[in-house]
Amino acid sequence: DSGVTQTPKHLITATGQRVTLRCSPRSGDLSVYWYQQSLDQGLQFLIQYYNGEERAKGNILERFSAQQFPDLHSELNLSSLELGDSALYFCASSVSGANSYEQYFGPGTRLTVT
Amino acid sequence: DAKTTQPPSMDCAEGRAANLPCNHSTISGNEYVYWYRQIHSQGPQYIIHGLKNNETNEMASLIITEDRKSSTLILPHATLRDTAVYYCIVRVVAGYSTLTFGKGTMLLVSP
Repeated sequence: DSGVTQTPKHLITATGQRVTLRCSPRSGDLSVYWYQQSLDQGLQFLIQYYNGEERAKGNILERFSAQQFPDLHSELNLSSLELGDSALYFCASSVSGANSYEQYFGPGTRLTVT
Repeated sequence: DAKTTQPPSMDCAEGRAANLPCNHSTISGNEYVYWYRQIHSQGPQYIIHGLKNNETNEMASLIITEDRKSSTLILPHATLRDTAVYYCIVRVVAGYSTLTFGKGTMLLVSP
């Protein structure tokens, strides 16, 4: 158990819909990262937040957005969902945003778009 | 971040040492070598990291060649639970650099 929690574990929704994925980092960790893992693209970094501010952006679509709240939990919002958005979404956390050696990953949310 | 090359798959007998190679010939002086693993559909798990010296922890050993162009992750006594995809990642630990995962090596540990 990494100490990172993600909800829900599974999510099934239809194309065009909007969903919100939630992540609670390990106690004391200030940085949160979101990753997407699909069969054809592998594990891809989406976005990073540190203490409420966006710090790094990867291959995140404009239909996706994220935020980190004052209590440090984070939410990833996916809208206008397409079949290709079906994937595992992982959240990770680390103590700091910069100079951070280790990221601890949560168990993931499996999103199925039908 | 430097690119890495890993074999797509490897086999290992239970109880034997598993030696997973990684080539990172374009590594820069300030880049670290990281290893993560992912057991089927679970979140990736940090294993070990190093800059130029060999490193050991309770999970594994990391051997980095003197020229730093390649490294080997060693699981000294592989168990069935070590069956996973192992990712070798090279990154700068400065600023807000992130992890870039490649395809990794699928290690199958058999009885």
